[in-house]
Amino acid sequence: EAGVAQSPRYKIIEKRQSVAFWCNPISGHATLYWYQQILGQGPKLLIQFQNNGVVDDSQLPKDRFSAERLKGVDSTLKIQPAKLEDSAVYLCASSLDRATGELFFGEGSRLTVL
Amino acid sequence: GEDVEQSLFLSVREGDSSVINCTYTDSSSTYLYWYKQEPGAGLQLLTYIFSNMDMKQDQRLTVLLNKKDKHLSLRIADTQTGDSAIYFCAEILNQAGTALIFGKGTTLSVSS
Repeated sequence: EAGVAQSPRYKIIEKRQSVAFWCNPISGHATLYWYQQILGQGPKLLIQFQNNGVVDDSQLPKDRFSAERLKGVDSTLKIQPAKLEDSAVYLCASSLDRATGELFFGEGSRLTVL
Repeated sequence: GEDVEQSLFLSVREGDSSVINCTYTDSSSTYLYWYKQEPGAGLQLLTYIFSNMDMKQDQRLTVLLNKKDKHLSLRIADTQTGDSAIYFCAEILNQAGTALIFGKGTTLSVSS
């Protein structure tokens, strides 16, 4: 079974530029999450989708971050304009089993903002 | 902004037992989780425990849950160099019941 795919793995941009990350979840997983992991910290939830609807985006900085999940499968996370403090690894995860809550993570997209 | 608290570092010798501790926030959490993150990789579920249990054993892993003190621990028996990683404690974050809130992670270093 293929895992959660993310791209790009690495991205370096200057502040005020924009960037987009892509995620393809495990086939059949209805729930998709974007997490931000700043160096030395645990992942922090940015947004949670159930199929193509948003379940929780309370911690998404909506003035600069946006995410969509068209057709309930792939998702993109966009940052525009980027700030220095956005430097982090952006992790995508998906889940199937609501009872146990096991999340399957991708390898992440590492963003460096200069 | 509730926080899941963990100690940041643990160093052990190969063959010893490792114990990683966590304090969580929500006494109504149905499940509590331990995830492992190796360098450059995403998180991987190690084990989880249902809140009506106080102990779960899975091969070299033992999870202890003290609901009264909201304390969770992970014991790794016969720790190996391959166990060197960051270990995250997690609990359910939101009403949807599936998103997780993670601690800052405990870096386990195993020396031979």
